[in-house]
Amino acid sequence: EAQVTQNPRYLITVTGKKLTVTCSQNMNHEYMSWYRQDPGLGLRQIYYSMNVEVTDKGDVPEGYKVSRKEKRNFPLILESPSPNQTSLYFCASSALRDSLDGYTFGSGTRLTVV
Amino acid sequence: GDSVTQMEGPVTLSEEAFLTINCTYTATGYPSLFWYVQYPGEGLQLLLKATKADDKGSNKGFEATYRKETTSFHLEKGSVQVSDSAVYFCALSPPGTGGFKTIFGAGTRLFVKA
Repeated sequence: EAQVTQNPRYLITVTGKKLTVTCSQNMNHEYMSWYRQDPGLGLRQIYYSMNVEVTDKGDVPEGYKVSRKEKRNFPLILESPSPNQTSLYFCASSALRDSLDGYTFGSGTRLTVV
Repeated sequence: GDSVTQMEGPVTLSEEAFLTINCTYTATGYPSLFWYVQYPGEGLQLLLKATKADDKGSNKGFEATYRKETTSFHLEKGSVQVSDSAVYFCALSPPGTGGFKTIFGAGTRLFVKA
Protein backbone atom coordinates (compact mmCIF):
# COMPACT_ATOMS: atom_id res chain seq x y z
CA GLU A 1 0.00 0.00 0.00
CA ALA A 2 1.32 3.44 -0.99
CA GLN A 3 1.72 5.48 2.15
CA VAL A 4 3.60 8.00 4.24
CA THR A 5 4.48 6.64 7.67
CA GLN A 6 5.24 8.86 10.64
CA ASN A 7 6.49 7.81 14.04
CA PRO A 8 5.65 8.20 16.80
CA ARG A 9 1.93 9.05 16.64
CA TYR A 10 2.02 10.66 20.08
CA LEU A 11 4.93 12.08 22.04
CA ILE A 12 5.18 13.94 25.33
CA THR A 13 8.59 15.35 26.14
CA VAL A 14 10.24 17.93 28.34
CA THR A 15 11.70 21.27 27.35
CA GLY A 16 15.20 20.99 25.94
CA LYS A 17 15.31 17.24 25.35
CA LYS A 18 16.27 16.55 21.75
CA LEU A 19 13.82 14.50 19.73
CA THR A 20 13.35 13.18 16.21
CA VAL A 21 10.10 12.49 14.40
CA THR A 22 10.59 10.06 11.54
CA CYS A 23 8.85 10.12 8.16
CA SER A 24 9.14 7.47 5.49
CA GLN A 25 7.39 7.05 2.14
CA ASN A 26 7.27 4.01 -0.14
CA MET A 27 6.23 5.74 -3.38
CA ASN A 28 9.69 6.81 -4.60
CA HIS A 29 8.60 10.45 -4.31
CA GLU A 30 11.24 13.14 -4.79
CA TYR A 31 9.39 15.84 -2.87
CA MET A 32 8.79 15.67 0.90
CA SER A 33 7.64 18.31 3.34
CA TRP A 34 6.85 18.91 7.01
CA TYR A 35 3.87 20.91 8.24
CA ARG A 36 2.59 21.85 11.66
CA GLN A 37 -1.13 22.23 12.32
CA ASP A 38 -2.38 24.61 14.99
CA PRO A 39 -5.99 25.59 15.79
CA GLY A 40 -7.13 28.59 13.78
CA LEU A 41 -3.91 28.67 11.75
CA GLY A 42 -4.30 25.69 9.45
CA LEU A 43 -1.14 24.00 8.22
CA ARG A 44 2.13 25.90 8.02
CA GLN A 45 5.15 24.58 6.19
CA ILE A 46 8.30 24.00 8.24
CA TYR A 47 10.80 22.57 5.74
CA TYR A 48 10.67 20.83 2.41
CA SER A 49 12.98 18.79 0.23
CA MET A 50 13.02 18.46 -3.55
CA ASN A 51 15.37 15.46 -3.53
CA VAL A 52 18.20 13.77 -1.66
CA GLU A 53 20.50 16.31 -0.02
CA VAL A 54 18.27 19.22 -1.16
CA THR A 55 16.30 20.92 1.60
CA ASP A 56 14.82 24.40 2.02
CA LYS A 57 13.03 26.43 4.64
CA GLY A 58 9.29 26.83 4.67
CA ASP A 59 7.37 29.53 6.50
CA VAL A 60 8.12 28.51 10.12
CA PRO A 61 11.57 26.81 10.21
CA GLU A 62 12.87 28.28 13.49
CA GLY A 63 13.68 25.62 16.07
CA TYR A 64 13.62 22.74 13.59
CA LYS A 65 16.14 20.85 11.49
CA VAL A 66 15.72 18.26 8.75
CA SER A 67 17.91 15.97 6.72
CA ARG A 68 17.40 14.02 3.49
CA LYS A 69 20.11 11.40 3.23
CA GLU A 70 17.87 8.83 1.54
CA LYS A 71 15.00 9.40 -0.85
CA ARG A 72 12.44 7.61 1.29
CA ASN A 73 13.19 9.25 4.66
CA PHE A 74 12.80 12.83 5.85
CA PRO A 75 13.20 13.11 9.64
CA LEU A 76 12.25 16.23 11.59
CA ILE A 77 14.63 17.12 14.41
CA LEU A 78 13.91 19.35 17.37
CA GLU A 79 17.27 19.92 19.04
CA SER A 80 15.90 21.85 22.03
CA PRO A 81 12.11 21.65 22.06
CA SER A 82 10.10 24.40 23.69
CA PRO A 83 6.41 24.51 24.73
CA ASN A 84 5.52 26.67 21.69
CA GLN A 85 6.41 23.67 19.52
CA THR A 86 3.51 21.73 20.99
CA SER A 87 1.50 20.97 17.87
CA LEU A 88 0.25 18.35 15.43
CA TYR A 89 2.89 17.59 12.79
CA PHE A 90 2.34 16.16 9.33
CA CYS A 91 4.76 14.83 6.78
CA ALA A 92 3.73 14.92 3.11
CA SER A 93 5.20 13.74 -0.18
CA SER A 94 4.61 13.88 -3.91
CA ALA A 95 6.35 13.01 -7.14
CA LEU A 96 7.96 16.05 -8.75
CA ARG A 97 6.04 15.50 -11.98
CA ASP A 98 2.73 15.24 -10.07
CA SER A 99 3.19 18.04 -7.57
CA LEU A 100 0.09 19.85 -8.81
CA ASP A 101 -1.92 16.68 -8.15
CA GLY A 102 -1.66 17.27 -4.43
CA TYR A 103 0.28 15.59 -1.67
CA THR A 104 0.07 12.28 0.20
CA PHE A 105 0.04 12.94 3.93
CA GLY A 106 1.05 10.84 6.89
CA SER A 107 -1.35 10.28 9.81
CA GLY A 108 0.31 12.89 11.99
CA THR A 109 2.40 13.14 15.16
CA ARG A 110 0.92 14.90 18.14
CA LEU A 111 3.76 16.44 20.12
CA THR A 112 3.43 17.93 23.60
CA VAL A 113 6.38 19.77 25.13
CA VAL A 114 6.07 20.44 28.87
CA GLY B 1 1.61 37.74 0.51
CA ASP B 2 -0.50 34.86 -0.70
CA SER B 3 -3.23 33.67 1.62
CA VAL B 4 -6.40 31.61 1.92
CA THR B 5 -9.46 32.56 3.97
CA GLN B 6 -12.14 30.03 4.85
CA MET B 7 -15.43 30.44 6.64
CA GLU B 8 -15.17 29.74 10.33
CA GLY B 9 -16.75 26.61 11.65
CA PRO B 10 -18.03 24.48 12.93
CA VAL B 11 -20.74 23.93 10.37
CA THR B 12 -23.52 21.65 11.59
CA LEU B 13 -25.97 20.15 9.09
CA SER B 14 -28.57 17.43 9.02
CA GLU B 15 -28.11 14.48 6.70
CA GLU B 16 -29.13 15.23 3.08
CA ALA B 17 -28.74 19.00 3.55
CA PHE B 18 -26.90 21.16 1.02
CA LEU B 19 -23.35 22.12 1.93
CA THR B 20 -21.38 25.23 1.05
CA ILE B 21 -18.01 26.05 2.58
CA ASN B 22 -16.69 29.40 1.42
CA CYS B 23 -13.07 29.92 0.43
CA THR B 24 -11.45 33.06 -0.95
CA TYR B 25 -7.82 33.61 -1.76
CA THR B 26 -5.23 36.30 -2.33
CA ALA B 27 -2.51 35.56 -4.85
CA THR B 28 -0.73 37.06 -7.80
CA GLY B 29 -1.59 35.53 -11.14
CA TYR B 30 -3.32 32.16 -11.42
CA PRO B 31 -2.57 29.81 -8.52
CA SER B 32 -3.66 26.19 -8.44
CA LEU B 33 -6.47 25.61 -5.95
CA PHE B 34 -7.22 22.56 -3.83
CA TRP B 35 -9.63 21.20 -1.27
CA TYR B 36 -8.32 18.66 1.22
CA VAL B 37 -10.34 16.67 3.76
CA GLN B 38 -9.12 15.43 7.15
CA TYR B 39 -11.10 12.68 8.88
CA PRO B 40 -10.67 12.24 12.64
CA GLY B 41 -7.26 10.88 13.57
CA GLU B 42 -5.99 10.87 9.99
CA GLY B 43 -3.82 12.93 7.69
CA LEU B 44 -5.17 15.18 4.97
CA GLN B 45 -6.43 13.68 1.72
CA LEU B 46 -6.79 15.54 -1.55
CA LEU B 47 -10.49 15.92 -2.32
CA LEU B 48 -10.41 17.95 -5.54
CA LYS B 49 -8.40 20.54 -7.40
CA ALA B 50 -8.56 23.14 -10.19
CA THR B 51 -5.59 24.60 -12.00
CA LYS B 52 -7.07 27.38 -14.14
CA ALA B 53 -9.89 29.88 -14.13
CA ASP B 54 -13.41 28.46 -14.64
CA ASP B 55 -12.19 24.91 -14.05
CA LYS B 56 -14.54 22.81 -11.93
CA GLY B 57 -13.02 20.18 -9.65
CA SER B 58 -15.25 17.34 -8.49
CA ASN B 59 -14.98 14.15 -6.45
CA LYS B 60 -17.29 12.03 -4.26
CA GLY B 61 -20.22 14.39 -4.92
CA PHE B 62 -18.24 17.49 -3.92
CA GLU B 63 -17.63 20.31 -6.40
CA ALA B 64 -15.75 23.60 -6.49
CA THR B 65 -15.34 26.11 -9.31
CA TYR B 66 -12.27 28.33 -9.76
CA ARG B 67 -13.63 31.89 -9.96
CA LYS B 68 -10.92 34.36 -10.85
CA GLU B 69 -13.24 37.37 -10.85
CA THR B 70 -14.24 36.79 -7.22
CA THR B 71 -10.99 35.00 -6.19
CA SER B 72 -13.08 32.19 -4.75
CA PHE B 73 -13.17 28.40 -4.70
CA HIS B 74 -16.25 27.49 -2.67
CA LEU B 75 -16.86 23.83 -1.84
CA GLU B 76 -20.39 22.45 -2.41
CA LYS B 77 -22.22 19.17 -2.03
CA GLY B 78 -25.86 18.62 -2.80
CA SER B 79 -26.66 16.08 -0.08
CA VAL B 80 -24.28 15.47 2.81
CA GLN B 81 -23.96 12.21 4.73
CA VAL B 82 -22.86 11.51 8.29
CA SER B 83 -19.65 10.08 6.83
CA ASP B 84 -18.78 13.54 5.43
CA SER B 85 -18.12 14.80 8.97
CA ALA B 86 -14.51 16.00 8.84
CA VAL B 87 -12.34 19.10 8.64
CA TYR B 88 -12.05 20.66 5.18
CA PHE B 89 -9.05 22.73 4.11
CA CYS B 90 -8.86 25.07 1.16
CA ALA B 91 -5.34 25.52 -0.22
CA LEU B 92 -3.44 27.21 -3.04
CA SER B 93 -0.11 26.76 -4.79
CA PRO B 94 1.23 30.06 -6.16
CA PRO B 95 2.09 30.10 -9.85
CA GLY B 96 5.69 29.30 -10.63
CA THR B 97 6.24 27.22 -7.49
CA GLY B 98 5.43 23.91 -9.16
CA GLY B 99 3.10 22.92 -6.34
CA PHE B 100 5.89 22.89 -3.76
CA LYS B 101 4.73 25.89 -1.75
CA THR B 102 1.17 25.09 -0.79
CA ILE B 103 -0.61 27.54 1.49
CA PHE B 104 -3.50 26.22 3.56
CA GLY B 105 -6.51 27.90 5.08
CA ALA B 106 -7.39 27.44 8.75
CA GLY B 107 -9.84 24.62 8.06
CA THR B 108 -13.61 24.31 8.52
CA ARG B 109 -15.03 21.56 10.68
CA LEU B 110 -18.24 19.96 9.41
CA PHE B 111 -20.61 17.95 11.60
CA VAL B 112 -23.43 16.04 9.92
CA LYS B 113 -26.24 14.75 12.14
CA ALA B 114 -28.31 11.69 11.30
